[in-house]
Amino acid sequence: AQSVAQPEDQVNVAEGNPLTVKCTYSVSGNPYLFWYVQYPNRGLQFLLKYITGDNLVKGSYGFEAEFNKSQTSFHLKKPSALVSDSALYFCAVRRNSGNTPLVFGKGTRLSVIA
Amino acid sequence: DSGVTQTPKHLITATGQRVTLRCSPRSGDLSVYWYQQSLDQGLQFLIQYYNGEERAKGNILERFSAQQFPDLHSELNLSSLELGDSALYFCASSPLAGGQPSTDTQYFGPGTRLTVL
Repeated sequence: AQSVAQPEDQVNVAEGNPLTVKCTYSVSGNPYLFWYVQYPNRGLQFLLKYITGDNLVKGSYGFEAEFNKSQTSFHLKKPSALVSDSALYFCAVRRNSGNTPLVFGKGTRLSVIA
Repeated sequence: DSGVTQTPKHLITATGQRVTLRCSPRSGDLSVYWYQQSLDQGLQFLIQYYNGEERAKGNILERFSAQQFPDLHSELNLSSLELGDSALYFCASSPLAGGQPSTDTQYFGPGTRLTVL
């Protein structure tokens, strides 16, 4: 079975500081990993995904994520946080074979303080 | 704007009633997914359709059903509604590019907020 853990319900960071939103996963075989962001009263927006290749994946709005197979992690990072980055962030995983559904974490609320 | 549309935006109804939620995927996308988002359960996958056929099933109750029509739009039918069915219901679509569905990015609609009173 596939699962995703986002160990922090809430992350607070000052504007201009680097941010990290943590994600660990469990999946049989190799994973495909995704990050989505949800702004208030909006649907989820795709940020980035890891399929294969370089462990550092760059995505939208200056976000990046690093795939670490040994630690089964896929943490989302940004070098300098903006107030407008405040939102709910979801990590998701699926197995790299077959038509398996995306499994989402519970989400982490990021609050960037000016 | 993801290109996925959902109607209605809000729906308020009573217990025991039946409602239909509608989703139009992005142009060219063949797959439609339905999700339920509630505070206590997070984002739960309900069901997937691909080109009119059911492709995968998740935690979908027997009171719920869905279909995808020849024009690729999809409807999610919720019946015998209970208070606990109050949630945000999202539709997502993907192209199933290259015959490898696992790598597909899903694009989400704005959601339908269902309130059951």
